[in-house]
Amino acid sequence: AQTVTQSQPEMSVQEAETVTLSCTYDTSESNYYLFWYKQPPSRQMILVIRQEAYKQQNATENRFSVNFQKAAKSFSLKISDSQLGDTAMYFCAFMILNRDDKIIFGKGTRLHILP
Amino acid sequence: NAGVTQTPKFRVLKTGQSMTLLCAQDMNHEYMYWYRQDPGMGLRLIHYSVGEGTTAKGEVPDGYNVSRLKKQNFLLGLESAAPSQTSVYFCASSDGGFTDTQYFGPGTRLTVL
Repeated sequence: AQTVTQSQPEMSVQEAETVTLSCTYDTSESNYYLFWYKQPPSRQMILVIRQEAYKQQNATENRFSVNFQKAAKSFSLKISDSQLGDTAMYFCAFMILNRDDKIIFGKGTRLHILP
Repeated sequence: NAGVTQTPKFRVLKTGQSMTLLCAQDMNHEYMYWYRQDPGMGLRLIHYSVGEGTTAKGEVPDGYNVSRLKKQNFLLGLESAAPSQTSVYFCASSDGGFTDTQYFGPGTRLTVL
């Protein structure tokens, strides 16, 4: 069975610092996608970044980047120059390619950016 | 362009009552999804649709039914609500499937007493 584990239930960092959220997953499949979603207090989920497992290059979106280590089944999210608006729940998610009914979310990490 | 909207935002039901949650999107997306989010857990997929007139089961479909009569609307029905269905329900849509960016609605908080 596929699982997604986020080992940090809650984190706090000062504004402008860099923070890394961890995510590990377990699967025997080789073709899959990984996602990081953000859920601010407004509750609406927002896609932050996406990584295809067949791509070795780590995905980057402005201040957000991932460290994807396929062999270790690790997919951490780095937020650089953190801003107050980054305060949110962050969910790591995993999906096997061509298995539309199997998108698995982790339990989330609550991130607080402190002024 | 409103994106994805959900109706209602809040609802309280008694056990055994029925209700329908409405999701609407104005982005002409083919795919639509219904998730539930419980405290301390990530989202779990209930049902999804790959186009008008189609529906498919997700991870936790029991106790729910869905319909996609129009491309822009995806309805989630609870025929006989149970306390275990107390949750926050999110609708989402995407253009090219699960691996494309999913756009989420603001959520519906449902309490079943």
